Amino acid sequence: GAVVSQHPSRVICKSGTSVKIECRSLDFQATTMFWYRQFPKKSLMLMATSNEGSKATYEQGVEKDKFLINHASLTLSTLTVTSAHPEDSSFYICSARDFRTQGAHQPQHFGDGTRLSIL
Amino acid sequence: AQSVTQLDSQVPVFEEAPVELRCNYSSSVSVYLFWYVQYPNQGLQLLLKYLSGSTLVKGINGFEAEFNKSQTSFHLRKPSVHISDTAEYFCAVTPRGNTGFQKLVFGTGTRLLVSP
Repeated sequence: GAVVSQHPSRVICKSGTSVKIECRSLDFQATTMFWYRQFPKKSLMLMATSNEGSKATYEQGVEKDKFLINHASLTLSTLTVTSAHPEDSSFYICSARDFRTQGAHQPQHFGDGTRLSIL
Repeated sequence: AQSVTQLDSQVPVFEEAPVELRCNYSSSVSVYLFWYVQYPNQGLQLLLKYLSGSTLVKGINGFEAEFNKSQTSFHLRKPSVHISDTAEYFCAVTPRGNTGFQKLVFGTGTRLLVSP
């Protein structure tokens, strides 16, 4: 089946540092990947849609300069949290769709998430 | 715009008992409906989806869901749960469409707690 690998699974770092999270589609190509943020006991909030070879589309209220997204290839998207602060601590999840599939009914394949803790 | 309501934040149940997790949605257009499961510190796994046709949809791990258009509901059920079903369950919808990406709108999730 379609596998999405997310790395790292957990990261702890000091306030002010930048953190990069990778999302890879292992056995399919993804022109579109998505980045979600999940707060404790809350639902997933779509942050942005990552499009291969073009700029990401950010949801309202998400700072694009804070959360940098790069989708340089059909199998890799990265999310960089710049100058991270404790309020950025959260669980970040990526997902991807196989580019060969068309239609809104096609499921997204999710990574296992990254637990980000900023001290 | 779409919204999804999962009224039960947590559902405790004993092993081998039946369970129903409720999901109601609101949308001005027709939607596709999904149920996802999330185990601790993991991403989401698709349980089942409703696209069209029979309103009773069967998914993985013995789960099923029934689409009720008049009540705008898509409740998830399992006749006999196992300890391993303990997880967070998310209902989601997306507008119908043939092309392009459509946003998934998630409910707030229901934590299923199965005890011996």
